[in-house]
Amino acid sequence: DSGVTQTPKHLITATGQRVTLRCSPRSGDLSVYWYQQSLDQGLQFLIQYYNGEERAKGNILERFSAQQFPDLHSELNLSSLELGDSALYFCASSVGRGARRRETQYFGPGTRLLVL
Amino acid sequence: AQTVTQSQPEMSVQEAETVTLSCTYDTSESDYYLFWYKQPPSRQMILVIRQEAYKQQNATENRFSVNFQKAAKSFSLKISDSQLGDAAMYFCAYRNYGGSQGNLIFGKGTKLSVKP
Repeated sequence: DSGVTQTPKHLITATGQRVTLRCSPRSGDLSVYWYQQSLDQGLQFLIQYYNGEERAKGNILERFSAQQFPDLHSELNLSSLELGDSALYFCASSVGRGARRRETQYFGPGTRLLVL
Repeated sequence: AQTVTQSQPEMSVQEAETVTLSCTYDTSESDYYLFWYKQPPSRQMILVIRQEAYKQQNATENRFSVNFQKAAKSFSLKISDSQLGDAAMYFCAYRNYGGSQGNLIFGKGTKLSVKP
């Protein structure tokens, strides 16, 4: 158990819909990262938040957005869903500051999204 | 931009034997981290081992060790005394040493099978 929690574990929805994925980082971690794992694109970085602020953006679509709340949990919002958005979405967290060793990212169990 | 290449889509090893998974990367940075993550059929991403580029000594974690060749930009993973539970996808990942900002860049993975 990495200490990172994600809900829900599975999500089935229809095209055009909107969903919200939730992530709670490990206790004490300030950074939250979102990754998408799909068969054709592999593991891709979407977005990073650090202590409530957006810190880095990757290949995140405009239909997707995220935020990190004062209690440091994060939500990834996916809207106008398409078939191609079906994937495993991971959240990872790290301390985000201080000693090098604490920069390791620990992953949650992921949310499997299926868009029909 | 940094890239990570895993040239072996699939590997197979006999139980109790040793196997080496290859990874090469491209970067112009001098300070960075390298990781190996394991993804078993449960799809959970599990950290196996990490290496900091400024350290010349190769990292080891029990039966797992790396061969880090900075000049050659090579980072291979050696699994000794392979066990059935080692069967999984293995991903090599790179991260810049960038303070609070630093997403992981993943290779496409190597699927390891362990034969009894």
